[in-house]
Amino acid sequence: AQKVTQAQTEISVVEKEDVTLDCVYETRDTTYYLFWYKQPPSGELVFLIRRNSFDEQNEISGRYSWNFQKSTSSFNFTITASQVVDSAVYFCALITNGGYNKLIFGAGTRLAVHP
Amino acid sequence: DSGVTQTPKHLITATGQRVTLRCSPRSGDLSVYWYQQSLDQGLQFLIQYYNGEERAKGNILERFSAQQFPDLHSELNLSSLELGDSALYFCASSAVGTRGFPETQYFGPGTRLLVL
Repeated sequence: AQKVTQAQTEISVVEKEDVTLDCVYETRDTTYYLFWYKQPPSGELVFLIRRNSFDEQNEISGRYSWNFQKSTSSFNFTITASQVVDSAVYFCALITNGGYNKLIFGAGTRLAVHP
Repeated sequence: DSGVTQTPKHLITATGQRVTLRCSPRSGDLSVYWYQQSLDQGLQFLIQYYNGEERAKGNILERFSAQQFPDLHSELNLSSLELGDSALYFCASSAVGTRGFPETQYFGPGTRLLVL
């Protein structure tokens, strides 16, 4: 069975703090893809990053960084020096090779960044 | 802006009614997906179409149906609506993956449905 777990329901930080959003996934497939999406208060879903199971290199994009560890089935997301505009719900998602391109989403983590 | 458009943005209707949600994919994308986001179920995959043909089905109710037209836009039809169908309905589109690998799905702004 495929599953994505985001154990943190809500996180509250003060601006400029670093914050890490956890994502743990389950799949028996050896080929799979992991994604992070952001849902700001306006409601749309914004694509942030995609990773395939063969590429464990960490990635940094500005204040955002992602740590992919197959050994622990985790794909964590860190925001450095958080800003109020980072306030949103963040979703981790999984597509497996046998999953017909169906995105399996975690429950999401609501991040509130206070000034 | 993802390039995926959805209409209408908001829809308020009564139980027992039927509604149609419309989606236009990004230019060049052949695949269209529908997802439902509700408070109790989270984000759930409903159905995928590829170039006019149904490709995959998720937890889509029999009261719901979809289609993709020759111009690649898609419609999701919801009938005999119940209070529990109130949700945010997203459409996403993606390009054709190479060697069977899935491409990134880009989401539209969603249609917020409220059934009273």
